[in-house]
Amino acid sequence: QVQLQQWGAGLLKPSETLSLTCAVYSGSFSDYYWTWIRQSPGKGLEWIGEINHTGRTNYNPSLKSRVTVYVDTSKNQFSLKLTSVTAADTAVYYCARSRIVDRSPYYWGQGTLVTVSS
Amino acid sequence: DIQMTQSPSTLSASVGDRVTITCRASQNISSWLGWYQQKPGKAPNLLIYRSSSLENGVPSRFSGSGSGTEFTLTISSLQTDDFATYYCQQYSSSSPYTFGQGTRVEIK
Repeated sequence: QVQLQQWGAGLLKPSETLSLTCAVYSGSFSDYYWTWIRQSPGKGLEWIGEINHTGRTNYNPSLKSRVTVYVDTSKNQFSLKLTSVTAADTAVYYCARSRIVDRSPYYWGQGTLVTVSS
Repeated sequence: DIQMTQSPSTLSASVGDRVTITCRASQNISSWLGWYQQKPGKAPNLLIYRSSSLENGVPSRFSGSGSGTEFTLTISSLQTDDFATYYCQQYSSSSPYTFGQGTRVEIK
């Protein structure tokens, strides 16, 4: 059974860097895209970006200047960094596994609530 | 960005009802559309991918159809477990892969 387990700091101050990691248990790491999605009350579900096992990335243009997604294939983990956070980045962040051909995320992590507050 | 518009925003229905939710894309996305169910405090759960393909383990009362700019999710006979919020998402080659605003299905 594929499981995605994520972790990271849940409370940040404005201008700090958000950092989350997602570990993948079971299943191949190389046959999928690995995705970050967030959900806030004000903006609903928002796709942040994705990466494959070779490190090829694709980012949401609205966040591209602040986002980095990277992968550690030796640990079957992928990570998200979002710099210069503001209150608008407060959301539940999810990691997910997506198919290569169609990018529908179909295994999800449990979600991490990240709150940005001074 | 491709805009996804769902209707209705809220739907009141009874157990056993046939329910249809519509999702419209602001431009042609072929069949690159998925449907998700989300319950409070949980991650979304993929129901349908590529517009009409049923994800493994999803009950057959869920079905999807459409291509181009107009898509529908149908629940043939609503069950108690189906009261939730439903989202569409497009993943055409033109990223970002945007979501609809959601449709809440509530008990009538």
